[in-house]
Amino acid sequence: AQSVTQLGSHVSVSEGALVLLRCNYSSSVPPYLFWYVQYPNQGLQLLLKYTSAATLVKGINGFEAEFKKSETSFHLTKPSAHMSDAAEYFCAVSAARGGSYIPTFGRGTSLIVHP
Amino acid sequence: EAQVTQNPRYLITVTGKKLTVTCPQNMNHEYMSWYRQDPGLGLRQIYYSMNVEVTDKGDVPEGYKVSRKEKRNFPLILESPSPNQTSLYFCASRRTGIFSSGNTIYFGEGSWLTVV
Repeated sequence: AQSVTQLGSHVSVSEGALVLLRCNYSSSVPPYLFWYVQYPNQGLQLLLKYTSAATLVKGINGFEAEFKKSETSFHLTKPSAHMSDAAEYFCAVSAARGGSYIPTFGRGTSLIVHP
Repeated sequence: EAQVTQNPRYLITVTGKKLTVTCPQNMNHEYMSWYRQDPGLGLRQIYYSMNVEVTDKGDVPEGYKVSRKEKRNFPLILESPSPNQTSLYFCASRRTGIFSSGNTIYFGEGSWLTVV
């Protein structure tokens, strides 16, 4: 079975500080990994995804994530937090189930940005 | 514009009164799925469908039914809603095919359901 673990249900940073949201996965085959963002009262939208090309993936709004196979991690970072980054962030892995790739989501991390 | 549309967006209903949440998408996607989102539990998959007339249970299917009679729509049915089904529900879709595991999943804006 495939799974995703997001460390920390809440992460609090000051505006301008580094953002680091952690995601570890388990997979018996090379995974496809995603980060989605959910702004208040909205659905989820894709932030970035890893599909076995470059291990450092750049996404929208200055976010990036690095795939580290040895650590089974796909942590999300942003050098300088902005107030508008306050949202819920979900890590997901695309998992094979019965020959089809079914996405599995982590429990989410709420990013709080202080002025 | 690519869209997954959920209707209704907000609903308060009473225990036992059947309700249906529709989910049309305009991207001709084969794969569709329903999730519920609860505090501290993240997104949990209820049902998914790989194509017309092909549906399968997700992680929390109890109390729900789905139907995929046409490609564009994947309604979620609560035959006899109970208060523990009060939640925020999301419909999602994705294109399938070769290399589909890396395809982006598109989400609707969510449906807030309250069962009293």
